[in-house]
Amino acid sequence: DTGVSQNPRHKITKRGQNVTFRCDPISEHNRLYWYRQTLGQGPEFLTYFQNEAQLEKSRLLSDRFSAERPKGSFSTLEIQRTEQGDSAMYLCASSLSLLLQETQYFGPGTRLLVL
Amino acid sequence: DAKTTQPPSMDCAEGRAANLPCNHSTISGNEYVYWYRQIHSQGPQYIIHGLKNNETNEMASLIITEDRKSSTLILPHATLRDTAVYYCIVRVHQGAQKLVFGQGTRLTINP
Repeated sequence: DTGVSQNPRHKITKRGQNVTFRCDPISEHNRLYWYRQTLGQGPEFLTYFQNEAQLEKSRLLSDRFSAERPKGSFSTLEIQRTEQGDSAMYLCASSLSLLLQETQYFGPGTRLLVL
Repeated sequence: DAKTTQPPSMDCAEGRAANLPCNHSTISGNEYVYWYRQIHSQGPQYIIHGLKNNETNEMASLIITEDRKSSTLILPHATLRDTAVYYCIVRVHQGAQKLVFGQGTRLTINP
C-alpha cells in the first residue's frame, strides 16, 4: 500500500515537552496538507505545502507550531512547549495538482495526548 | 465555516441502501461536491466527487440536483463496515484549497 503514512500513530507527552510528527505523502504528490481534529469535530486546516514551499498557514497554527517539508517529500510538524489543548488527532493529506483534478488523500493520523 | 448542511445522524439496516443528504444552497458554479467518510479513529477516506452530473464509482453514487443546491450520497448495499461519519464538502476542483469540514453525518448501519 503506497498511501499516506504518518508516524508515530500515538504520542503521549507531558505538558511543556516538544513533539514532532512525520508525514510521508503518496509518492510524487506535490501538495501536502496538515489538519487537526479534536474530539467530536471535523478536521481543521493548519497549513499546506506545494513542493517544499509552505504557502498557507491557518490562524490556528500558533508560533509554537512549525512545519517543514525540506525536500518536497516528507513533512514534519513540531509542537513546542505542548499544552493540554494541543491534544488532538493530527492528520496529513497529500494531493497531486493536475489540470483537471486535485483530490486530497489522508493518512491515518497521529493521536496526541498531552498530560 | 462549512458551506454545507447535513443531518447529524442517520441509521440504516444492513443490506439496504443508505441515502445521505447534503444541502449546499450557496454553491458556486466552479465548486464541486466532495464526500469523505471517517471510520472511528482513522483518517478521512475519499469517496466520490461531482460537479453537476450524477457520478458512480465502486464505493457509492452521487446524485446532484439540477439546481446544484443539494446532493445525496448513496451507498447501495450498506454493510456494518460502512458505519462512519460522512462529510459533504464543496470546493473548487483545481488549485490548492483546504477542505472545510462541517460536523458531518454519523451513519450507523444496524444488523
